[in-house]
Amino acid sequence: EVQLVESGGGLVQPGGSLRLSCVASGFTFTTSWMDWVRQAPGKGLVWVSRINSDGSSTSYADSVKGRFTISRDNAKSTVYLQLNNLRAEDTAVYYCRVWVADKRDDYWGQGTLATVSS
Amino acid sequence: EIVMTQSPATLSVSPGERATLSCRASQSITSRLLWYQQKPGQAPRLLIYGASTRATGIPARFTGSGSGTEFTLTISSLQSEDFAVYYCLQYNNWPFTFGQGTKVEIK
Repeated sequence: EVQLVESGGGLVQPGGSLRLSCVASGFTFTTSWMDWVRQAPGKGLVWVSRINSDGSSTSYADSVKGRFTISRDNAKSTVYLQLNNLRAEDTAVYYCRVWVADKRDDYWGQGTLATVSS
Repeated sequence: EIVMTQSPATLSVSPGERATLSCRASQSITSRLLWYQQKPGQAPRLLIYGASTRATGIPARFTGSGSGTEFTLTISSLQSEDFAVYYCLQYNNWPFTFGQGTKVEIK
């Protein structure tokens, strides 16, 4: 069974930082691209970042470029999202997501809430 | 950035009726489109990939069609569990972009 379990969310002041983690299991993590998607309260979905299977290539939405960093540890089957210089508009549930090719399906974690407020 | 525009924003439908949701891309995305269903408090659930292929376990009442810039999700006979918000997503160009969503509500 594919599982993605996020953690690391919480309340942080504007300008602060958070590190989100997503632990994966049930599929071949080392060959899978991983994504982070966020959803502000009551709003739609926004693709935030993507990382390739070995971590050598990353992409970011313009709204987070230069502030967020995606990384992965294949030995721990974990993908990270470092959130720096946080703004109120970064308040959202952050989901980890993966397309598993041999299952022809995608999988999402339960999400972790990051709240940026003074 | 490719802009995805969904219409209508809200669709009021009676159970058993057909629902037709539209998604338009600001430039061609070939068939690189996903459809998701999201219910309150839940992560999105993949319905359709490649614009027209149903994901694993998705009932046949969900049909995706279109290519290029115009796409449609049709739910042939709405069941109670289908009332939710539906999003399209293009994955042809980075950044991947979602539509703003269509809420399907009970009439």
